[in-house]
Amino acid sequence: QKEVEQNSGPLSVPEGAIASLNCTYSDRVSQSFFWYRQYSGKSPELIMSIYSNGDKEDGRFTAQLNKASQYVSLLIRDSQPSDSATYLCAVNVLDQTGANNLFFGTGTRLTVIP
Amino acid sequence: DVKVTQSSRYLVKRTGEKVFLECVQDMDHENMFWYRQDPGLGLRLIYFSYDVKMKEKGDIPEGYSVSREKKERFSLILESASTNQTSMYLCASRLDRTSNQPQHFGDGTRLSIL
Repeated sequence: QKEVEQNSGPLSVPEGAIASLNCTYSDRVSQSFFWYRQYSGKSPELIMSIYSNGDKEDGRFTAQLNKASQYVSLLIRDSQPSDSATYLCAVNVLDQTGANNLFFGTGTRLTVIP
Repeated sequence: DVKVTQSSRYLVKRTGEKVFLECVQDMDHENMFWYRQDPGLGLRLIYFSYDVKMKEKGDIPEGYSVSREKKERFSLILESASTNQTSMYLCASRLDRTSNQPQHFGDGTRLSIL
């Protein structure tokens, strides 16, 4: 079983709609969770970090974490064509040495249709 | 802001050449990482370093080596380039191994081996 799973998509939403991106992870003791945005041909860019259960909002982006269900999501409100990109979920997993190892999902490709 | 700089955005080399990819970060981060990213395979960890002079193998180290002589610089070396090493190479850095903080990526190097 992979550490981090995402639906690869593609996910298509009309402009102005809410895009919902989902991610599940396998390690119950994971403490920190991240969403990266990656435009085609570019490198991943950190857009959200979340460390505790609940919602964290930043502009049009909301990250939601549910540790009991091992589930983290990203909502994008009022989606814009410029939001069209691949979104990578990443989860820190603590190993026996106390080091945090970051595991990435394979990404969900989002297309916002004008 | 964290700045991770990769020496080349695009690079074309020939089979059998020794190839050097350079990465520099300006935030005094202890940890540095090299990934490659291929369509459908996501990010795969090649090598990482928790501190100067230290290196650890990632998931796909075969055909690669690394060098970390200074804290800010982490080099990836393709000992004898082969066509299956054509890929996008991404360098990342992080504060330290026990940190809950995310990794920050450079702009990437798109390497073509002919």
